[in-house]
Amino acid sequence: GAGVSQSPRYKVAKRGQDVALRCDPISGHVSLFWYQQALGQGPEFLTYFQNEAQLDKSGLPSDRFFAERPEGSVSTLKIQRTQQEDSAVYLCASSARQGRFTEAFFGQGTRLTVV
Amino acid sequence: GENVEQHPSTLSVQEGDSAVIKCTYSDSASNYFPWYKQELGKGPQLIIDIRSNVGEKKDQRIAVTLNKTAKHFSLHITETQPEDSAVYFCAASYGNNRLAFGKGNQVVVIP
Repeated sequence: GAGVSQSPRYKVAKRGQDVALRCDPISGHVSLFWYQQALGQGPEFLTYFQNEAQLDKSGLPSDRFFAERPEGSVSTLKIQRTQQEDSAVYLCASSARQGRFTEAFFGQGTRLTVV
Repeated sequence: GENVEQHPSTLSVQEGDSAVIKCTYSDSASNYFPWYKQELGKGPQLIIDIRSNVGEKKDQRIAVTLNKTAKHFSLHITETQPEDSAVYFCAASYGNNRLAFGKGNQVVVIP
């Protein structure tokens, strides 16, 4: 596609519910990233995939957060038993190359509100 | 870990004037420094980037300068226009695959 696409754009979850956030990266992009952006803050790194391999998940805040990219393209970020502190915008980014750092392009994000 | 700081937090400029945003970083191993523009309700948009082997880079009205010794880099926007109003984030590469972002600068261009 033309850019990184994320769905849904908005998600309201009751505390304790599980949610799944989807990311469609730019076609052919090897690297995929998830970031969390709290209100008024910069994005914070969550996890990184190179093709289908999750090479870095050290930014995931708890074991309630899980991400996958089984076929090396679409990725899903799952949050189990959501808490109010999970409320944030979840951003997905992709980049064309691996190894040497290169341009990362972000999607429009999914705004998660936990009530 | 990497710590990126931006200042000022809010910047108001008259249309046509220049805007400068400064960032500092802590990790001397950082070698890639992008700038992103984020408009309300949208994702960050890459506007310019610079690598550690370059001191300055320009793209039309936007330029970025990097001082590796002092560990700071700056975004310069000349001839500002109302559509330049947005939040601007600087970032520094951290490890092999992360970006550490600053907290953002709100730029307001006054017509």
